[in-house]
Amino acid sequence: KAGVTQTPRYLIKTRGQQVTLSCSPISGHRSVSWYQQTPGQGLQFLFEYFSETQRNKGNFPGRFSGRQFSNSRSEMNVSTLELGDSALYLCASSLDPFGELFFGSGTQLSVL
Amino acid sequence: TQLLEQSPQFLSIQEGENLTVYCNSSSVFSSLQWYRQEPGEGPVLLVTVVTGGEVKKLKRLTFQFGDARKDSSLHITAAQPGDTGLYLCAGARRAGGTSYGKLTFGQGTILTVHP
Repeated sequence: KAGVTQTPRYLIKTRGQQVTLSCSPISGHRSVSWYQQTPGQGLQFLFEYFSETQRNKGNFPGRFSGRQFSNSRSEMNVSTLELGDSALYLCASSLDPFGELFFGSGTQLSVL
Repeated sequence: TQLLEQSPQFLSIQEGENLTVYCNSSSVFSSLQWYRQEPGEGPVLLVTVVTGGEVKKLKRLTFQFGDARKDSSLHITAAQPGDTGLYLCAGARRAGGTSYGKLTFGQGTILTVHP
């Protein structure tokens, strides 16, 4: 079956703009988590959603937001982009909050 | 803040050599996971260890969870070029409603195995 699909694969934005990233989980998976990966900080947890409800949120500013739809697809939004937001954004899905995580290939965001 | 410290950060070895990667924390985790990530891809789960002192073997890879559930190690025997990649440890807590969706990752170990 198809894996976790993240779109777009690459994105270039300028400071001050906003961006929306999309994640389609594996069919049947109801839990979606988002992570930011940078060379300096590694992988850091952003959000976790299950059945359209945010279960957990990481230590990121309010410019970072997300949501999950009734079909389990998820989006994350970053407003007023800063240079430091340049990163690989990874989405992972699981059957439920205690299941194995399956990661997508990520969206590489570059902020100029 | 729970931190997971991985060492070494970089490892460059010849094919056939053995290696060990360490993952340490001052906090207790209910489970430790190890992932491998290749360039341009997301991490892929290798193993989950949940019991203090647990040892799991996956072909040439041996994973151990410390007795106090604060540390873990990954040992690779007779490394091969195909083992090259970024190895990540990640801790999960299940207390208080936290789930495997919220993981604390180590910084990672970049392993290069030369033919």
